[in-house]
Amino acid sequence: EVQLQESGPGLVKPSQSLSLTCSVTGYSITSNYWAWIRKFPGNKMEWMGYINYSTSTSYNPSLKGRISITRDTSKNQFFLQLNSVTTEDTATYYCARSITPDYWGQGVMVTVSS
Amino acid sequence: DVVLTQTPPTLSTTIGQSVSISCRSSQSLLDGDGDTYLNWLLQRPGQSPQLLIYSVSNLESGIPNRFSGSGSETDFTLRISGLEAEDLGLYYCMQATHAPLTFGGGTRLELK
Repeated sequence: EVQLQESGPGLVKPSQSLSLTCSVTGYSITSNYWAWIRKFPGNKMEWMGYINYSTSTSYNPSLKGRISITRDTSKNQFFLQLNSVTTEDTATYYCARSITPDYWGQGVMVTVSS
Repeated sequence: DVVLTQTPPTLSTTIGQSVSISCRSSQSLLDGDGDTYLNWLLQRPGQSPQLLIYSVSNLESGIPNRFSGSGSETDFTLRISGLEAEDLGLYYCMQATHAPLTFGGGTRLELK
C-alpha cells in the first residue's frame, strides 16, 4: 500500500526557511510525480509544485522563486524548502502522489510566528 | 491562473438525499491531448483530502458508485445519489490541464 508521511517543524519564524520531508513507502519515487499542496486557514487550497520521476520540477509562480523541491531516492523521500516565510505561509502542508493526487500524507500544520 | 468557482459554498441536506455541486472554470479544461483534467476531492473532518473522481467522470478505485461526475469545457458537476453520513465534509474541484494547477474554493456538505 502506498503511504506518505510528512515531517518537519510546526513553528517557523518569519524570514526563515520552512523545510519539510515527505517519506514514501510502498512505491518508488523514481516513478510518477510528487507534489506539495497546502491548505490555508479558511479552506483555500494551493498547489505548490512537484518533482517528477526524472527530477524535473514545476512550481507555482505565486511562490516567486522561494520554493525548492528535491528528493533522495536512497531514502525514498522528497523535500520542500520554502524560503523567506511570512505569516501568510501559515497552513497545513500535504505531500501527495501524482498530478491527479491519488495518495496524500496526513498533513503537517506549520505556523509562521515570532 | 485558471479560476474554479464552486457553488454552492455550503450545502445543507439530509441522509438519503441526492445533491449536486457545480464547478465552473474561467477557461476550457479540454487539453490538447483530448482529455479534460478536472478532478473532485473530498476532505472529511480531521482527514486528508481523498480523490473521488478524475478526468471529469472516472471513479477512483474504491469510491462508491453513488458518486458521479459530468461536464465538459468549463462546466462540471459532481452528483451524490443517496447521501450517506460518511459523505459529509468539504468537496473541492481541481484542474490539472493548465499550469499552475488550481483548486475551487470548496463546498461544505453538512446535515440540515
